[in-house]
Amino acid sequence: ELKVEQNPLFLSMQEGKNYTIYCNYSTTSDRLYWYRQDPGKSLESLFVLLSNGAVKQEGRLMASLDTKARLSTLHITAAVHDLSATYFCAVQASGTYKYIFGTGTRLKVLA
Amino acid sequence: DAEITQSPRHKITETGRQVTLACHQTWNHNNMFWYRQDLGHGLRLIHYSYGVHDTNKGEVSDGYSVSRSNTEDLPLTLESAASSQTSVYFCASSEDNTGSKLFFGSGTQLSVL
Repeated sequence: ELKVEQNPLFLSMQEGKNYTIYCNYSTTSDRLYWYRQDPGKSLESLFVLLSNGAVKQEGRLMASLDTKARLSTLHITAAVHDLSATYFCAVQASGTYKYIFGTGTRLKVLA
Repeated sequence: DAEITQSPRHKITETGRQVTLACHQTWNHNNMFWYRQDLGHGLRLIHYSYGVHDTNKGEVSDGYSVSRSNTEDLPLTLESAASSQTSVYFCASSEDNTGSKLFFGSGTQLSVL
């Protein structure tokens, strides 16, 4: 059964600092997704990673996928307050269309 | 514009009552999913469907059921609501292509008293 783990669960960081959120999963997959959720809101898609070594960047966020290590990272560069949100990774196991989510990382960027 | 809508947005019910949460999408997606979101657990998959008349159990399906009579709708029914089912419920849909992202509804906050 596919398991997805994220760490850290909570992250408080100063503006201007860099940090990385980690997403580990337990079975073979080359389809990984990152989502953002603002408080009281729904989830919106950030990145879709579909192959080993895939890297996607949008503004201060960069996501990568290492399928051999079963690891994805979401790197935050020079954090700003607007990035405060909860970030989720989700994985599709090979041969299925269902998405299994991690527990989420609640990010708070302090001014 | 295509969208996915959930109703109601908020629901309060009593223990033991049957409750149905609605989900309607106009993306014409074959794949539809129900998740519940609880602090410390992230999103957990309840049920999912890959097309009309297809339904499958997810990680936390006990006490829930779904039916898929058309492409647009996947209602979620709590047969006999329990306090442990107090949660935020999200419906989502996706294309049945590799690498298709999920599109989410706005969520339903359900309280079982």
